[in-house]
Amino acid sequence: EAGVAQSPRYKIIEKRQSVAFWCNPISGHATLYWYQQILGQGPKLLIQFQNNGVVDDSQLPKDRFSAERLKGVDSTLKIQPAKLEDSAVYLCASSLTLPDTQYFGPGTRLTVL
Amino acid sequence: GEDVEQSLFLSVREGDSSVINCTYTDSSSTYLYWYKQEPGAGLQLLTYIFSNMDMKQDQRLTVLLNKKDKHLSLRIADTQTGDSAIYFCAERATGGGNKLTFGTGTQLKVEL
Repeated sequence: EAGVAQSPRYKIIEKRQSVAFWCNPISGHATLYWYQQILGQGPKLLIQFQNNGVVDDSQLPKDRFSAERLKGVDSTLKIQPAKLEDSAVYLCASSLTLPDTQYFGPGTRLTVL
Repeated sequence: GEDVEQSLFLSVREGDSSVINCTYTDSSSTYLYWYKQEPGAGLQLLTYIFSNMDMKQDQRLTVLLNKKDKHLSLRIADTQTGDSAIYFCAERATGGGNKLTFGTGTQLKVEL
């Protein structure tokens, strides 16, 4: 069974630029999560989708971050404009449904200069 | 609110047992998880325990849960160099959908 796929694996941008990350969950998984992991910390949930609807986006900085899952499968997370403090690993996870065990992708490491 | 704490580092010798500890604050936690993260990789689910259990064993891994003290531990028997990684515990509360709250992670170093 293929795992959660993410791209790109690494991204370096300058502050105030825009960036987008892509996630393809495990086939059949209805729930998709985006986490931010700052160096030396545990992952923090940014947004959670159930199919194509948002379940929880309470910790998403909505002035600069946006995410969508239009067809209920793949998802994109966008940052516009990026700040230095956005440097982190962005992890995507999926689960079969709510509630269920979450499986994580390899992450995208973002460096903002 | 939810808060999960772990010690930052643990160093053991190959072949010894490792015990990684975690404390959490949310008494309504339903499931507690242990994830492993190797350098440059995502999180790999190791094991989990339901809150009405005291212990769960899975090959070299033993999870102990003390619900009264809100204390969770992961014991790795016969620790190998391949076990060197960061270990995260996470709790899932009854409210808030399936939201996981992670600890800061414990870096396990296995020495020869």
